[in-house]
Amino acid sequence: KNQVEQSPQSLIILEGKNCTLQCNYTVSPFSNLRWYKQDTGRGPVSLTIMTFSENTKSNGRYTATLDADTKQSSLHITASQLSDSASYICVVSARRSNYQLIWGAGTKLIIKP
Amino acid sequence: DTGVSQNPRHKITKRGQNVTFRCDPISEHNRLYWYRQTLGQGPEFLTYFQNEAQLEKSRLLSDRFSAERPKGSFSTLEIQRTEQGDSAMYLCASSLASQGLNQPQHFGDGTRLSIL
Repeated sequence: KNQVEQSPQSLIILEGKNCTLQCNYTVSPFSNLRWYKQDTGRGPVSLTIMTFSENTKSNGRYTATLDADTKQSSLHITASQLSDSASYICVVSARRSNYQLIWGAGTKLIIKP
Repeated sequence: DTGVSQNPRHKITKRGQNVTFRCDPISEHNRLYWYRQTLGQGPEFLTYFQNEAQLEKSRLLSDRFSAERPKGSFSTLEIQRTEQGDSAMYLCASSLASQGLNQPQHFGDGTRLSIL
């Protein structure tokens, strides 16, 4: 069964600290892995998209890694800011088509001043 | 603002009533998606259009749900005879088919439906 699992479910850190969010997946055949940021009451916003051949991709203070062999990804946030408080959702696309996205439940990140 | 626009942002209705939501995608995007999201969960795929053709529907989309994209631009999602379990955020997204399978989906801010 195609699944995406994220950990931790929630995380609280102090402003300025770094953190890493984890994503494990069992989607096959794999096409790409995406990380989205979703603020409360808003739609998700794309942070990164990685294909099978990409190990790492950065978007400002966000760096995503992908290990296609172990089917794991991480999202590292550097020097956190209050505006980073949001849910971070890992999404894996199966190769058959674009619409078949398997969404994780997300990690709720709270940044405290 | 040239992003994905959804209306209304909030809808409160009594059980049994019909509701309709509208989504205006990014103008050059030919793919349009509808999702449903409940609290603490990721979005669940409902249906997908390429231009005006509805190419896929999830099993989640019961007979009470219908979506249209008559001219390949805006789309509507209608729920008939609403039930308590329909309370959720309904998200619309759009993307460009020409960029292949690795293009991001751009989301609107959703319509939050509350069934009394």
